[in-house]
Amino acid sequence: DAKTTQPTSMDCAEGRAANLPCNHSTISGNEYVYWYRQIHSQGPQYIIHGLKNNETNEMASLIITEDRKSSTLILPHATLRDTAVYYCIVRGEASGTYKYIFGTGTRLKVLA
Amino acid sequence: GAGVSQSPRYKVAKRGQDVALRCDPISGHVSLFWYQQALGQGPEFLTYFQNEAQLDKSGLPSDRFFAERPEGSVSTLKIQRTQQEDSAVYLCASSLAGRTGELFFGEGSRLTVL
Repeated sequence: DAKTTQPTSMDCAEGRAANLPCNHSTISGNEYVYWYRQIHSQGPQYIIHGLKNNETNEMASLIITEDRKSSTLILPHATLRDTAVYYCIVRGEASGTYKYIFGTGTRLKVLA
Repeated sequence: GAGVSQSPRYKVAKRGQDVALRCDPISGHVSLFWYQQALGQGPEFLTYFQNEAQLDKSGLPSDRFFAERPEGSVSTLKIQRTQQEDSAVYLCASSLAGRTGELFFGEGSRLTVL
């Protein structure tokens, strides 16, 4: 399974865009990039995923580089409720299963 | 129910006791995952079910850990002879199918072994 590398922590001012980077240089051609976030004492929550093209939904945008070796999650207008740990995951396929391998994530703090 | 339900939310066990953690996935979800999350760490994969079949148990840390999903719905994670290093939050997640789509996580069961 491809490994991901994320900064340990980031700060963002409320109302500004939060750009969270992720490196996944060993990603395979058929592996997707997923983003989840985990607010304190809750289970992880799905945000968005993509394969090659950029994706956008009501929560965020996902920008994947052309070589697919890195991606950026963008929260366009961060609020205090977006303070959480954000996980970038490359979903692997091994032996017929599709387990998600989490790293240590980026702890995003949105500042008032 | 509307989401993944886990019970108990909190469990305190004395070292050496057996514990059982329950997961009720979203109705109709085929895939079910168990993860272990130590304090300050990301979730670590334990095991994966597709319906009642346990297709991957490569993450179970020892033979003291056992998971089952006999009817393809509710799952139980059992830990025998608990040790202090088993203290963690145990997360259950389900999804419609294994190949695509998002995982829906429960709020977890926090196990503390004294």
